[in-house]
Amino acid sequence: DAGVIQSPRHEVTEMGQEVTLRCKPISGHDYLFWYRQTMMRGLELLIYFNNNVPIDDSGMPEDRFSAKMPNASFSTLKIQPSEPRDSAVYFCASSFRDRAGGYTFGSGTRLTVV
Amino acid sequence: EDKVVQSPLSLVVHEGDTVTLNCSYEVTNFRSLLWYKQEKKAPTFLFMLTSSGIEKKSGRLSSILDKKELFSILNITATQTGDSAVYLCAVNGGGGSYIPTFGRGTSLIVHP
Repeated sequence: DAGVIQSPRHEVTEMGQEVTLRCKPISGHDYLFWYRQTMMRGLELLIYFNNNVPIDDSGMPEDRFSAKMPNASFSTLKIQPSEPRDSAVYFCASSFRDRAGGYTFGSGTRLTVV
Repeated sequence: EDKVVQSPLSLVVHEGDTVTLNCSYEVTNFRSLLWYKQEKKAPTFLFMLTSSGIEKKSGRLSSILDKKELFSILNITATQTGDSAVYLCAVNGGGGSYIPTFGRGTSLIVHP
């Protein structure tokens, strides 16, 4: 099992550009989560999916952020246009519901917007 | 709104010391409390606790939950430099889904 796979590992972009982060969850997991981590705010849940359907996106900061899960093995988080305050590490995690919280996190994407 | 508070925010010790990390919480319909270790990359799962008073143990790490007083502790005995990390506490509560609320973490540095 390769675990949760995220790409890219690092992204540096200029303010105003579109950024797309990608995630492949563990096969068989039915929940997928996008988190953002900063020194100031810690680990924040942005959105989560269950069986590819978005369930709660109340953590998405604003309309510049969007997430999709077109199938069980792929999800994207898009920021358009990006701003310097979006700089953070973005984690994707997946779980199988019955494990009640034993998430597996990906290695994260470190985003820097200059 | 669910709330998880960890203390201390940071801790610096020497190898061989024993440390205790604290996690207190306020959550509706508590389901479970989770501890994660985060080194340079992704958080990795350590323990899940659901019942009061039952210690979970893995090597030099152990954790216990007090559902009456709404807190948990994570103990690390005979610390090693490899224990240096941020330790995150998270609590599952609310409705029918297992969506945890994370604390800000405790940064532990172990000096040789």
